[in-house]
Amino acid sequence: DAGVIQSPRHEVTEMGQEVTLRCKPISGHNSLFWYRQTMMRGLELLIYFNNNVPIDDSGMPEDRFSAKMPNASFSTLKIQPSEPRDSAVYFCASTRLASRNTIYFGEGSWLTVV
Amino acid sequence: SQQGEEDPQALSIQEGENATMNCSYKTSINNLQWYRQNSGRGLVHLILIRSNEREKHSGRLRVTLDTSKKSSSLLITASRAADTASYFCATDKGGSSNTGKLIFGQGTTLQVKP
Repeated sequence: DAGVIQSPRHEVTEMGQEVTLRCKPISGHNSLFWYRQTMMRGLELLIYFNNNVPIDDSGMPEDRFSAKMPNASFSTLKIQPSEPRDSAVYFCASTRLASRNTIYFGEGSWLTVV
Repeated sequence: SQQGEEDPQALSIQEGENATMNCSYKTSINNLQWYRQNSGRGLVHLILIRSNEREKHSGRLRVTLDTSKKSSSLLITASRAADTASYFCATDKGGSSNTGKLIFGQGTTLQVKP
């Protein structure tokens, strides 16, 4: 069974550009999470969806960040405009709500904004 | 702020020794989990302990939970060089509703020298 698939794996972009990160959760999972990891702040929960509905977006740092989940098999995290301080590894993770919250992570999208 | 905090932040041991990492959290929980992250990779679930359990084993891993002190420990016995990684504890929020939301600590970086 395929794991959580994220794309792109690496992206370098210039400040002010739009960045779109993509995630395909594990088939059958109905919860999806976006995390950001940096050396300074560790692993932060940005937003999560249950059954494609955003439940808690209190971790989204600013209005420049937005996330969507148009269907059960796809989600995007968008940053517009991007800034150098957005440089981080962005992880998508998914789970079944009934599985006592064991979540499965993708390999991450490594974003560098210059 | 992050729910869990691990200590030590970094740990270096010789192969064959035991490694102990601790995690403290702030609010009531339904369960506590430990994850492992190899350099440049996503997090991988290791073990889950429920709030009504005090100890759990899985192979060379032993997890304890003390809800009165709001703390947990992860013991890796007979460590191997391949155990070199960062280890994170993660907690959900206690209560009857399972939202699936997990908050991660800052992590302990373990180095096992061959």
